[in-house]
This record gives sequence, structure tokens and C-alpha cells, in this order.
Amino acid sequence: DAKTTQPTSMDCAEGRAANLPCNHSTISGNEYVYWYRQIHSQGPQYIIHGLKNNETNEMASLIITEDRKSSTLILPHATLRDTAVYYCIVRGRGSTLGRLYFGRGTQLTVWP
Amino acid sequence: DTEVTQTPKHLVMGMTNKKSLKCEQHMGHRAMYWYKQKAKKPPELMFVYSYEKLSINESVPSRFSPECPNSSLLNLHLHALQPEDSALYLCASSHSGGNTGELFFGEGSRLTVL
Repeated sequence: DAKTTQPTSMDCAEGRAANLPCNHSTISGNEYVYWYRQIHSQGPQYIIHGLKNNETNEMASLIITEDRKSSTLILPHATLRDTAVYYCIVRGRGSTLGRLYFGRGTQLTVWP
Repeated sequence: DTEVTQTPKHLVMGMTNKKSLKCEQHMGHRAMYWYKQKAKKPPELMFVYSYEKLSINESVPSRFSPECPNSSLLNLHLHALQPEDSALYLCASSHSGGNTGELFFGEGSRLTVL
């Protein structure tokens, strides 16, 4: 599975959009981009995933560049409860089941 | 029911003790996982069970012994642990096969080895 690079930390004001970048320059054609987050002392929580097209769900939007070498997770209206570590993970379809490898992630702090 | 339940939430044990961590899900998932997470580090994969058979062991020391008695339950048996094994142990589950699916994680069992 390809590796990802994320900033160590980011801040965001409550009510504003939080844009979390991720670089995955070695991603291959059959690999998906996944985002999980982990609020302090809780288990990781799935947010969203995508292959090529932009995706949106009730939690967030995922923007993947045309060359697929980077992506951005967007939380449109951040709240204090969105303070967490956000993990960007690249995972291949057909890759060995369960091999979800977490990088260091981005600590997002939302301030009032 | 979209929960993965882990017990106990906290466990303190000595290096000579034998204890077990338990994980349960009722979502009909056929794949279950153990992850280990040290403080301020990302989760690390330990074991994967698929259809109640061990499919991945990430070179975990034998003092950790997983068991999957049925499709809803996953245990992690602990014996002769070391203080450096103190960590948060996370259980997760997912639909089998389709590996584009999400993993559902439990809240974890925080283990302290004295």
C-alpha cells in the first residue's frame, strides 16, 4: 500500500471549513483513499473514501486531484467535537483484507 | 446495532498473569481485527480473522494469542506480558471480502502491565 504524508497539526475556527490535505504521490490506479479520525481515547471512526471522483457524505467531502497524487478532506462547518487526529490512508482494492495501515495523521484542533 | 463492544475497558495485570480481552459485534461482519496503539502513536495492525480463521498475523509475539470462537466474538489472550506491552488494544470488524468497506472500531481496552 502506498504511503501518505499529512501535516502534523492544524487549527480551525469553529464554524469555518477545515481543509485537511494529504499527499499520496505513489498511489496506484486501483488504490482508494480513506479517511478516518480518532477523537481522544476513542476508537478510530470511518469518515469517507474515494477512488477518483470527489465524494460527499453527511460528515465530510473528499476532493481528489485529477492525477490522484493528493487529496483534501473538507469538514464544511467545523465544531469543537471535530477536534481529533485525522488519518489519510491509501488502500488497494484486492489488497490483503484488513491491512489498513495508519500513518501519523493530522491533529486538528477546532477553537471557539 | 452498529457497535463493536470491547471488555474490559481497563485492565491492569502483572507480568505473570493470564488475562483475556474480549470483543463482540452483531453486525454480521465476517472479518475481525486486533490493533495495538501506544500513546501518541497511530494504531498498528496485529491480527486479522476472516470467516473465523486467522488470515493475518503481523509477526506478533506468542504471548499474545488471538481466538475467534464464532463470527461475532474475538478474544485476545494475554500471558507473560512485558511492561512495554501496555497500550490501548482496539478491536474492529468489517464485511468480509469487499475490502473497500469501512472498519468499525470499538472503544478499546486500555492495558497496563506492571
